[in-house]
Amino acid sequence: GAVVSQHPSWVICKSGTSVKIECRSLDFQATTMFWYRQFPKQSLMLMATSNEGSKATYEQGVEKDKFLINHASLTLSTLTVTSAHPEDSSFYICSARGHQIYTDTQYFGPGTRLTVL
Amino acid sequence: SQKIEQNSEALNIQEGKTATLTCNYTNYSPAYLQWYRQDPGRGPVFLLLIRENEKEKRKERLKVTFDTTLKQSLFHITASQPADSATYLCALDDSWGKLQFGAGTQVVVTP
Repeated sequence: GAVVSQHPSWVICKSGTSVKIECRSLDFQATTMFWYRQFPKQSLMLMATSNEGSKATYEQGVEKDKFLINHASLTLSTLTVTSAHPEDSSFYICSARGHQIYTDTQYFGPGTRLTVL
Repeated sequence: SQKIEQNSEALNIQEGKTATLTCNYTNYSPAYLQWYRQDPGRGPVFLLLIRENEKEKRKERLKVTFDTTLKQSLFHITASQPADSATYLCALDDSWGKLQFGAGTQVVVTP
């Protein structure tokens, strides 16, 4: 139970292009989904919190126009990195907290490795 | 400012021994504390959650203690196995439903 998937698992793109990452809760509905970024040898840093049907809440220092989040349904959230640059290269991980089940904590996806050339 | 500290040095341990990891925090009053496991290139996997009114929690070979006076949690892996080799993350809920993570401690279990 509490399975969260991410797609793609890795992506390489050219500088200036946009990349979309999908996060899905496969066997439960998620009230809230979270997006994290992790640089090598560092811990997870929360980027934003999204609730289905409402605007995402971004953490301080995270550009909302650069990292577009859409939480279209209780099982899907997307993160779009717009006009990506090499410094955006990182490991992006989403998590989901359940709506009626799996409400106790966050369950994480496997992550997406983004490399911007 | 809020801070979560985990031992940054890797813990090397022989198979069969008990690994003990520490998580200390400051300027938090968490309702609960959580431990996750993260393998290289993968997302964290939830292991255990312990609430502020619980002193100890166990799950198979894992044991977590939570001392809100000392502001510390200890995470034990008993009868460790090479498959337990990973980075273990401590996380606190900041009462807004958001998790703040420590930097993690790498555990290496050698046969």
